[in-house]
Amino acid sequence: RKEVEQDPGPFNVPEGATVAFNCTYSNSASQSFFWYRQDCRKEPKLLMSVYSSGNEDGRFTAQLNRASQYISLLIRDSKLSDSATYLCVVETGGFKTIFGAGTRLFVKA
Amino acid sequence: IAGITQAPTSQILAAGRRMTLRCTQDMRHNAMYWYRQDLGLGLRLIHYSNTAGTTGKGEVPDGYSVSRANTDDFPLTLASAVPSQTSVYFCASSVDSQVDEQFFGPGTRLTVL
Repeated sequence: RKEVEQDPGPFNVPEGATVAFNCTYSNSASQSFFWYRQDCRKEPKLLMSVYSSGNEDGRFTAQLNRASQYISLLIRDSKLSDSATYLCVVETGGFKTIFGAGTRLFVKA
Repeated sequence: IAGITQAPTSQILAAGRRMTLRCTQDMRHNAMYWYRQDLGLGLRLIHYSNTAGTTGKGEVPDGYSVSRANTDDFPLTLASAVPSQTSVYFCASSVDSQVDEQFFGPGTRLTVL
């Protein structure tokens, strides 16, 4: 089993839709979790950290489920500009992290 | 410069040649990283440096070397390139560790023929 797994997609959704991605991780001791966004042929950029209690930033909500060892990203009211690849990042111990392969999202008009 | 820069933007290289990818940051971050990104595999860590003068091996270090002579620069060298090293290479930095926000350079597209 990979340390961090994501559904590669692509997810094709219309503008205004709500879409959710999950990311599973294998190390039950992981403490820190992040979502990065990567536009086509660009560098990754931090979208948001994921806190134990869940957190929200505008249309984006991140959740952590420790019991089932996954994190999720919910995007409400999808915009064309949300089209990108979303990378899950999980701490593996010793202040080190590992990136998932990413989930591709296409939002269409 | 602001942030983190990489050079060259892209390169085609003959197998067996030596190549150094350059990375410079002006944020005074302690930690720097080199990743490679391949389709379906995501970003994989090649080497890292937690502070100037120290380096460590990541997940896929074979065939690569790094140095960290100062805070700002973190070059990656391929001593004798092979076709399997064809990839997009990203340099990144963070304040102290990978659990801090990582800032990425624009990447170098390397093709080894």
